[in-house]
Amino acid sequence: AQRVTQPEKLLSVFKGAPVELKCNYSYSGSPELFWYVQYSRQRLQLLLRHISRESIKGFTADLNKGETSFHLKKPFAQEEDSAMYYCALSYNQGGKLIFGQGTELSVKP
Amino acid sequence: DVKVTQSSRYLVKRTGEKVFLECVQDMDHENMFWYRQDPGLGLRLIYFSYDVKMKEKGDIPEGYSVSREKKERFSLILESASTNQTSMYLCASRGTSLTGELFFGEGSRLTVL
Repeated sequence: AQRVTQPEKLLSVFKGAPVELKCNYSYSGSPELFWYVQYSRQRLQLLLRHISRESIKGFTADLNKGETSFHLKKPFAQEEDSAMYYCALSYNQGGKLIFGQGTELSVKP
Repeated sequence: DVKVTQSSRYLVKRTGEKVFLECVQDMDHENMFWYRQDPGLGLRLIYFSYDVKMKEKGDIPEGYSVSREKKERFSLILESASTNQTSMYLCASRGTSLTGELFFGEGSRLTVL
């Protein structure tokens, strides 16, 4: 069955430190992967998608099919990056999208 | 500005009551979703709909049903609310592309007493 796993519930770093939020997926086909973010008192929104190969707000994510991972990285964390981050997998049949458990990122000053 | 609107931000209901959560999108999206958001469990898919009157169960459909009579509107129904359905409910929509963005509503926080 399709599954998305985010092993860390909480990640706490200091401002300026590197950040890596882990995401592993289980899917036998060709996956479409995303990272969504929820800032305090805001609705969930798209951060980035693997097909775009873009950097958004300094974040990047690389799809590693061998390790079935899609980790989110940023070299220098900022306080405004503090939020809840969700990894998501889209697959067939009308674009069903499933999410991981989420990782709360806390960036301390 | 694209919009997914959920009719109620906060609801308090009693055990056994029937609960309706309404969601409307103005983007002419084919796909609409209902998720439940709980700390430590992330977002879990309850139901999704890929066309008018078409639906498919997600990972946790038990105790829920849905209705999609018009393309822009997707309703979640709790036939007999229970305390373990106290949660944040998120509605979302997207187009047909597998790489398309999912747009979320602000959420409906339901408390069942």
